[in-house]
Amino acid sequence: AQSVTQLDSHVSVSEGTPVLLRCNYSSSYSPSLFWYVQHPNKGLQLLLKYTSAATLVKGINGFEAEFKKSETSFHLTKPSAHMSDAAEYFCVVILTGGFKTIFGAGTRLFVKA
Amino acid sequence: DGGITQSPKYLFRKEGQNVTLSCEQNLNHDAMYWYRQDPGQGLRLIYYSQIVNDFQKGDIAEGYSVSREKKESFPLTVTSAQKNPTAFYLCASRRGGGEGANTGELFFGEGSRLTVL
Repeated sequence: AQSVTQLDSHVSVSEGTPVLLRCNYSSSYSPSLFWYVQHPNKGLQLLLKYTSAATLVKGINGFEAEFKKSETSFHLTKPSAHMSDAAEYFCVVILTGGFKTIFGAGTRLFVKA
Repeated sequence: DGGITQSPKYLFRKEGQNVTLSCEQNLNHDAMYWYRQDPGQGLRLIYYSQIVNDFQKGDIAEGYSVSREKKESFPLTVTSAQKNPTAFYLCASRRGGGEGANTGELFFGEGSRLTVL
């Protein structure tokens, strides 16, 4: 069965320190992978996407993610956290052919001053 | 600017009442979706539509109904048959053929929060 696992429900970092949000997927096919961010009572905004081009993907607001097929991972990173990064982050997988869109359960990022 | 507009942003309903949530997009997207979001559960698909006058049930369609009479509009009705309707509802759209034919990103509206009193 296809699935997406976000390994941490909550992550807390200090402002100015690196951010790592982990995502693993399970799929028999080559997937398209996305990271979205959601601020409270708002819709989801696309941060970045991987669609079988370069394995290191750069997104908005200084975020990037690396697709590692051997590890079936697509972890999201940022070198230096900002207070405005505090939000919920969703890893999303779309299977080849678009037959199914699968959302992770989300990781809430807290940023301490 | 193109985008997706959901209304109302907040809605209160008494038990036994039907309510309709509006979703309008001017992105010229073929596919539209409704998701329900509950704390700690990610997003769950209620209904989706790939073209006008066609729609399909998602994973949690019971107690909900939709219509797709125009390309730009995909309203969701939460009926009295929905046992636990209090949630945050998100509408999304995607260019192309939707769930079965496209791997492009989803574009989301700002959401509607429904509370049953």
